[in-house]
Order: sequence, then structure tokens, then C-alpha cells
Amino acid sequence: AQSVTQLDSHVSVSEGTPVLLRCNYSSSYSPSLFWYVQHPNKGLQLLLKYTSAATLVKGINGFEAEFKKSETSFHLTKPSAHMSDAAEYFCVLMDSSYKLIFGSGTRLLVRP
Amino acid sequence: GAVVSQHPSRVICKSGTSVKIECRSLDFQATTMFWYRQFPKKSLMLMATSNEGSKATYEQGVEKDKFLINHASLTLSTLTVTSAHPEDSSFYICSARDTDYSYEQYFGPGTRLTVT
Repeated sequence: AQSVTQLDSHVSVSEGTPVLLRCNYSSSYSPSLFWYVQHPNKGLQLLLKYTSAATLVKGINGFEAEFKKSETSFHLTKPSAHMSDAAEYFCVLMDSSYKLIFGSGTRLLVRP
Repeated sequence: GAVVSQHPSRVICKSGTSVKIECRSLDFQATTMFWYRQFPKKSLMLMATSNEGSKATYEQGVEKDKFLINHASLTLSTLTVTSAHPEDSSFYICSARDTDYSYEQYFGPGTRLTVT
């Protein structure tokens, strides 16, 4: 069965410092993976997606993620956090029937 | 980009009443729409997959008679919570896929349902 594990429920960084949000997946086939961001009481916005092309994926707002098959990981990074990055982030895997399987989410706090 | 709207954004209803939530794809035709439920500070749980012109496919544990889904056109799907109870209070989010060959889902802004 496919699954997604987000290793941290909360991550707190200072503005201007790097961001690392960790995600591990389990899949019996080469998966499609996504990162979504959700601001309070808002819908989800796609940050980036991996679909078996380049392993380093660049997304919007300076975010990027690297697909590492050997580590079954798809961590999300950003070189310098901005106050507006504070939100909930979801790592998502698409299963073989094109359904989305969501991780439990990581809340990113950005300190001034 | 593809835009999905939901109406209403917030609704408060009394226990025992029914409430309808609309999900619309504004600039594309959605052959498939999805309904998710999000509990406070929790992740999204897929409730059902809605295909235009056919019955919805519900995930295990979701009561189809309680959560009625209708997908009558390529731009509109509705979720009706029947005989609502306080435990149905939640954030409901829909998404839409623009073709049968496109895997990407576009999400609506969500509807906050509070049952008193």
C-alpha cells in the first residue's frame, strides 16, 4: 500500500533562514509526488510536483524538492524563509488510481 | 490557471437539517471532481470521487446516504450533508480534474460547516 509520512508536525524557523520540511513515502511503483500549501481557512495551492522527470523539482515562491529513490524521500526546501511562508504544508502521493494520499501535514512557523 | 470555486464559504446549520455545498470549475470542464473532509489541525481525507453523469464512488467508511453527491454537469458538483449532526462539523474541500488524462487536481477554497 502507498503511504506518505511527514516527519515533523511543526517546524519553526527565523525569517531569512533556510526551510526544510521532511517527507518520506512508501510505494511499490515509481510515484508521482506533490507538495501543497494551505493558508488558514483557505484551499490548497500546488507548490511543485514530481512525475519521474528531473529529480530536483523547482516550484513557486522559491521552493524546491528533491526526489531521492534510495531514501524514499521528497523533502521540501527553501533557502530563505519569508513571513508569508507561514502555513500548513502537505506532502501528497498519487496512487495507481490517480487518487491523492495526503501526509499529516507540517505547520511552518516563521519568527521575525 | 484552472479555478475552482465553492459556495458557501461558511455555513451554520441546526442539527437535523440538511445543507448543500456547491463546487464549480470556472474555466474548464471537470469530468471528475473529488470531495475531501478536513478535521481541525488534521490532514485531508478523501470522501468520494464524483464523475459527471454517474454515481459517485465513496471511500470506505463514508456514508453515502448521509453525504449525497451529485455531478449533473461538467462544471458543477454538489455535496449535501443530510440530517446534519454536530460531529459533521468540518472543513469540506472539493477538487476538480480537467480531463480523464490529466492527473492534476485543482482545489476549491473550502467550506466551513458548523452544525449547532
